[in-house]
Amino acid sequence: DIQMTQSPSSLSASVGDRVTITCRASQSISSYLNWYQQKPKKPPTLLIYTASSLQSGVPSRFSGSGSGTDFTLTISSLQPEDFATYYCQQSYDTPRTFGQGTKVEIK
Amino acid sequence: EVQLVESGGGLVKPGGSLRLSCTASGFTFTNAWMTWVRQAPGKGLEWVGRIKSKADGGTRDYATPVKGRFTISRDDSKNTLYLQMDSLKTDDTAVYYCTTGGRDWGQGTLVTVSS
Repeated sequence: DIQMTQSPSSLSASVGDRVTITCRASQSISSYLNWYQQKPKKPPTLLIYTASSLQSGVPSRFSGSGSGTDFTLTISSLQPEDFATYYCQQSYDTPRTFGQGTKVEIK
Repeated sequence: EVQLVESGGGLVKPGGSLRLSCTASGFTFTNAWMTWVRQAPGKGLEWVGRIKSKADGGTRDYATPVKGRFTISRDDSKNTLYLQMDSLKTDDTAVYYCTTGGRDWGQGTLVTVSS
């Protein structure tokens, strides 16, 4: 199985900050990488697919980059509604493994 | 509007069985590859398994922890996805979500495995 490792596991940031979350795959997954946002007691929502494509309706302050084994999710200017947990997921092979999550908290 | 509604969760004893359903609307279910994802209390997301459309062979894939115990199936005439869970363990306690491969998600149904 492909292992997905996110860092950091949690971070504290202020409104307006630029936030970067990284995700590393245990083998090359080309650009088959999705990013999700999840708020408490809610299902995840898709933010980014194929590493850098913005899902329809997602604000442009979210962006994704990377290929191969190293990927990044960037929030250019953190908004109050962005405090949540973020997950990466590889869609290169089954099982479609997730990272362990990154919790973004208010500083 | 895409809607996915899970049902069938509840409390079951270790070693028991449960069948979850996911009823879909708002898209052509017949053509969709459908996935189950679970989330244990306070934990992260875990991919459970997927079933392809019949046109693409209807192949099923499973995560290692559930292989041989869980079975995914679909009834395209009812726009419904199923997850048959047998030989349940306490580690299977989680909210179970169905999803269209990540874009659309149901609200989830809670499965609690406890004596």
